[in-house]
Amino acid sequence: SAVISQKPSRDICQRGTSLTIQCQVDSQVTMMFWYRQQPGQSLTLIATANQGSEATYESGFVIDKFPISRPNLTFSTLTVSNMSPEDSSIYLCSVPTGETQYFGPGTRLLVL
Amino acid sequence: QKEVEQDPGPLSVPEGAIVSLNCTYSNSAFQYFMWYRQYSRKGPELLMYTYSSGNKEDGRFTAQVDKSSKYISLFIRDSQPSDSATYLCAMSWNSGGYQKVTFGTGTKLQVIP
Repeated sequence: SAVISQKPSRDICQRGTSLTIQCQVDSQVTMMFWYRQQPGQSLTLIATANQGSEATYESGFVIDKFPISRPNLTFSTLTVSNMSPEDSSIYLCSVPTGETQYFGPGTRLLVL
Repeated sequence: QKEVEQDPGPLSVPEGAIVSLNCTYSNSAFQYFMWYRQYSRKGPELLMYTYSSGNKEDGRFTAQVDKSSKYISLFIRDSQPSDSATYLCAMSWNSGGYQKVTFGTGTKLQVIP
């Protein structure tokens, strides 16, 4: 298993601003995932972040809105840009381990 | 039709009851079947995963997969108040060299002492 931490754990932001979420893993991993979990919805994959290459975004998510950095094998950031109330959600990073994935504790974001 | 359907609940049971949580799926390409538990204000925690049809047991938890019916279940025996959480089913398939995962919406379970 992997131990994953995220910062901040929660935040309240004003619309139009941006927030950067950090994800730290206790071991080196090639691939990291960023998910969004909206109330009553399943986890939705935003993008896959590989170290040394551009992130791959899922349908409905774009780099201008959710830029991702992956500077090394243990760290990644997700920025939620130009936020609106619709961006209020839990954002989670995860890492694959064989057949499954392990998740961080999540960042709860409320946009006013 | 969603790829994975999960009864959202909520489900409320007395302590000691047997709990049955279920998901159906439509994608025959799914290879691995997982159950995650998510406590309030926490990230999902992997409970169990299985590959083949049949049952897999781990303590009070049993995961059941029926690939012919595209149906998976999680049974919790002797449920405890500490089992109160949201349970997410998840299924994965190989996409571009890694396992891509699709999640159900989660079933919220409350075990009443």
